[in-house]
Amino acid sequence: QKEVEQNSGPLSVPEGAIASLNCTYSDRVSQSFFWYRQYSGKSPELIMSIYSNGDKEDGRFTAQLNKASQYVSLLIRDSQPSDSATYLCAVNRAGGFKTIFGAGTRLFVKA
Amino acid sequence: DVKVTQSSRYLVKRTGEKVFLECVQDMDHENMFWYRQDPGLGLRLIYFSYDVKMKEKGDIPEGYSVSREKKERFSLILESASTNQTSMYLCASKGGLSYGYTFGSGTRLTVV
Repeated sequence: QKEVEQNSGPLSVPEGAIASLNCTYSDRVSQSFFWYRQYSGKSPELIMSIYSNGDKEDGRFTAQLNKASQYVSLLIRDSQPSDSATYLCAVNRAGGFKTIFGAGTRLFVKA
Repeated sequence: DVKVTQSSRYLVKRTGEKVFLECVQDMDHENMFWYRQDPGLGLRLIYFSYDVKMKEKGDIPEGYSVSREKKERFSLILESASTNQTSMYLCASKGGLSYGYTFGSGTRLTVV
């Protein structure tokens, strides 16, 4: 079992729809959770961080964390073609330097 | 705007060459990291440093070394480049352990 698992996609949604990206992790002591966006040929860019159970909203993005289920998700409202990218889920273990990345989900937003 | 700057965007080197990849950050971060990213393998940690002159091995340190003589600069060294080191190399920094990364723009290295 991979430490951080994501559906590789591609996930295709129409413009204006809600895109839902999901991630599960295996280490129960994980404490910090991140979503990165990576455009083709570019480096990852941090878009959301979440540390406690519940929802965290930032503009069109909402991160959701459920530690009991070891599940973190990213919702993108009013999806735009410019949101088309690979989204990487990443998890930090408690007290450590190590960040575990998922393989990423490719998102296509169709105009 | 905070920045992590990698000195080269594209590099082509010959097998056996010693290769230096440079990374500079302007955020006064203590923690700096080198990753490589390959299709199907994702991001893999090569080395990291949590302080000047300190270094720790990541998941795939073989064939690499690092140098951190100043807080803002973290260098990755390929001692004798091989074709299997052809990859995208990403430098990153972060302020605290629980924070996310700021990545540089990456260096696409091709070893021929």
